[in-house]
Amino acid sequence: GAVVSQHPSRVICKSGTSVKIECRSLDFQATTMFWYRQFPKQSLMLMATSNEGSKATYEQGVEKDKFLINHASLTLSTLTVTSAHPEDSSFYICSARAEGRADTQYFGPGTRLTVL
Amino acid sequence: DAKTTQPTSMDCAEGRAANLPCNHSTISGNEYVYWYRQIHSQGPQYIIHGLKNNETNEMASLIITEDRKSSTLILPHATLRDTAVYYCTSPQGGSEKLVFGKGTKLTVNP
Repeated sequence: GAVVSQHPSRVICKSGTSVKIECRSLDFQATTMFWYRQFPKQSLMLMATSNEGSKATYEQGVEKDKFLINHASLTLSTLTVTSAHPEDSSFYICSARAEGRADTQYFGPGTRLTVL
Repeated sequence: DAKTTQPTSMDCAEGRAANLPCNHSTISGNEYVYWYRQIHSQGPQYIIHGLKNNETNEMASLIITEDRKSSTLILPHATLRDTAVYYCTSPQGGSEKLVFGKGTKLTVNP
């Protein structure tokens, strides 16, 4: 149990385009999901907290108009990178918090975004 | 903030126990300690979590000191597939957000 999926696993796009990444909790419901970004040889950096039915909470320095988050159901959160630029190229990882399991976060496999 | 510190790297021989330490001296009394590991280019994999008591599951054991200021993750019989970066983490001061440090890069050698 506690499986989280992400789609796509890898995406290459042109500069200026938008990319949507989906995060799904497959066998549990998640009121809260989280989005992280990881650059090469660095640790995970939290970008935002996604709450079902309400606005996401962004960490300091993360542009909410650039990284749009929607958490429309208890099993799905999406991250849209708008007007992507090469510096947005990174490994994006989501996690879903399993309430009732000591609030353990379970992570998706990640999405590798490359902006040309 | 519940910050954690871990050694940058460790080596272990295949078949031997790997003991990975973590200091979390600022953790609050009701905050769990979670351990994850990340293999290159994959999302972090949940290993185990604990609050006060020692815990064991099919992957590992977690030993938490009585004062809760540190813990040790034990992989009883390390295999080559256990080579990964291991993260010890805890919620950030009263919130549900996890803060990740640099973790410990464990290399299991044949």
